[in-house]
Amino acid sequence: LAKTTQPISMDSYEGQEVNITCSHNNIATNDYITWYQQFPSQGPRFIIQGYKTKVTNEVASLFIPADRKSSTLSLPRVSLSDTAVYYCLVGDTRDTGNQFYFGTGTSLTVIP
Amino acid sequence: DTEVTQTPKHLVMGMTNKKSLKCEQHMGHRAMYWYKQKAKKPPELMFVYSYEKLSINESVPSRFSPECPNSSLLNLHLHALQPEDSALYLCASSQVSGGAYEQYFGPGTRLTVT
Repeated sequence: LAKTTQPISMDSYEGQEVNITCSHNNIATNDYITWYQQFPSQGPRFIIQGYKTKVTNEVASLFIPADRKSSTLSLPRVSLSDTAVYYCLVGDTRDTGNQFYFGTGTSLTVIP
Repeated sequence: DTEVTQTPKHLVMGMTNKKSLKCEQHMGHRAMYWYKQKAKKPPELMFVYSYEKLSINESVPSRFSPECPNSSLLNLHLHALQPEDSALYLCASSQVSGGAYEQYFGPGTRLTVT
């Protein structure tokens, strides 16, 4: 089981790039890495997913080194509305009752 | 429609009450999940239904009883809860079961046990 750890909190000024790391030392060959964003009193929302190297979409980039034991979520030019908790999750595509866990979460505060 | 709905939004119940939480999705997803989230903690997986069959039960106490009447609906029946069960209960769905599939979450039910 690939349990994950993240920094508890981060602060950033508006307009800056923010990088949030997630450690998953026991990641398995078939595991993917997914990041979610959660605002207070709401359910998490999917941001981005990757398996290796780099993935980019309209809101974020995800960097995964060759050993896949960590990953970095990059948010370009953050705004106040990006203040939220960010979770990484490691899991595979098997429908065999396998377990998966959200990371500890990183609370990002964007400062004006 | 990429929405997962949950009712009620808020629920206050006594330790002897019986209540149910409801979740619905119309995305054709074949996996549905219940999570429990305490304040400032990550969501904890409680149950997974895959093709309307229970596939994961994370050693959840029997006072929580899930039910999946059909592929669009998921219920969580509550009975004889304890104050420490107070939390945000989140429902989610995905195309099929598996941690690698994008999960769509509902807004949650805020449960308070008195």
